[in-house]
Amino acid sequence: DIQMTQSPSSVSASLGDRVTITCRASQGISRWLAWYQQKPGRAPDLLIYAASSLQSGVPSRFSGSGSGTQFTLTISSLQPEDFATYYCQQANSFPLTFGGGTKVEIK
Amino acid sequence: EVRLLESGGGLIQPGGSLRLSCAASGFTFSGYAMSWVRQAPGQGLEWVSTISVSGDNTYYADSVKGRFTISRDNSKSTLYVQMNSLRAEDTAVYYCAKNSRDCIGSSCQYYYYGLNVWGQGTTVTVSS
Repeated sequence: DIQMTQSPSSVSASLGDRVTITCRASQGISRWLAWYQQKPGRAPDLLIYAASSLQSGVPSRFSGSGSGTQFTLTISSLQPEDFATYYCQQANSFPLTFGGGTKVEIK
Repeated sequence: EVRLLESGGGLIQPGGSLRLSCAASGFTFSGYAMSWVRQAPGQGLEWVSTISVSGDNTYYADSVKGRFTISRDNSKSTLYVQMNSLRAEDTAVYYCAKNSRDCIGSSCQYYYYGLNVWGQGTTVTVSS
């Protein structure tokens, strides 16, 4: 199985900050990586698919990059509604696997 | 509006069985692979199972293989998961999700593009 390791597990940031979250796959997954945002008590929302493609309706301050085993999610200027937990997920092969999550908190 | 609505959750004793349903609307259900994902209390997301558009191909996490069965009824636009031999560690919110796809002409890729629509979740509690 492909293990997905996210870092950091939590980050404290201020409004307007640039935030970067990293996801590492235990083996190469090409560009088949998705990022999700989850707010408390809510289902996850897809932000990014295929490593760098922005899901329809997602603000352009979100971006993704990477391929192979190293991926990043960047929020260019943190907004109040961005405080949430973010998960990466490899879609290269079954079993699908998620990273452990990164909680973005208010500083 | 694209919508997924799960039902069937509840409190069940260890060793018991439960069937979850997910009613889909607002899209052509038969054209998409579908998945179940769960989240234990205070924990992260765990993929459970995925089924192909026709239902001929199914995939399972090792943690549920042999105990859970995913299925679909395209005529009813409904996804199911039959959960048997339930354990305390199966306690979670269960989400159904629509697999995104990419099509070039009549050829589609169904599994690479993430899960782009999620239901609100149904809670399963396994406890005596």
